[in-house]
Amino acid sequence: EDQVTQSPEALRLQEGESSSLNCSYTVSGLRGLFWYRQDPGKGPEFLFTLYSAGEEKEKERLKATLTKKESFLHITAPKPEDSATYLCAVQEGTGNQFYFGTGTSLTVIP
Amino acid sequence: DGGITQSPKYLFRKEGQNVTLSCEQNLNHDAMYWYRQDPGQGLRLIYYSQIVNDFQKGDIAEGYSVSREKKESFPLTVTSAQKNPTAFYLCASSTQGQGGTEAFFGQGTRLTVV
Repeated sequence: EDQVTQSPEALRLQEGESSSLNCSYTVSGLRGLFWYRQDPGKGPEFLFTLYSAGEEKEKERLKATLTKKESFLHITAPKPEDSATYLCAVQEGTGNQFYFGTGTSLTVIP
Repeated sequence: DGGITQSPKYLFRKEGQNVTLSCEQNLNHDAMYWYRQDPGQGLRLIYYSQIVNDFQKGDIAEGYSVSREKKESFPLTVTSAQKNPTAFYLCASSTQGQGGTEAFFGQGTRLTVV
């Protein structure tokens, strides 16, 4: 059973068209939820850590929020350079393993 | 500059050969991880290590081996027993603590069987 599910798989936006990416999780005892950005052929780049429901983090045009069952990555007025795959991961319980979703591939069209 | 260095960036393996992928970190992190990434499947855990001289199998350890003789280094060997090794391999490291601790990644090694 998948512990982390991301949707949509792919998203195409016009430049300036705001939207949200979803990450739902089923782990119990969440220790942390993490968002990463990955460019083609590169390693994932860390963006945010969220620890508890109600928490929000912002960085430039990105804002991450967390509820008890899901997280959203809101992209406000995106630019073409925001095009990338966005990955979500969770850590649960007392373990140090990370469980990753399959990512959302975002394309921002000029 | 602190970070994680993977080498080589590209690697070609002949059928029946073992190859070793290097991963070095200077972040003083205790935990290190190896992931395999295939299109449409996300990151799958191969092995992880929480301390020197100790490591645990992940979800897809068959055909792979690791060692952790130094805190900074966590090499991955892809053996001839791995039937479909062509993939993008990612090494990561993190601190350990009570709360969630983010992992930082290297730039990856792309392995191709020729």
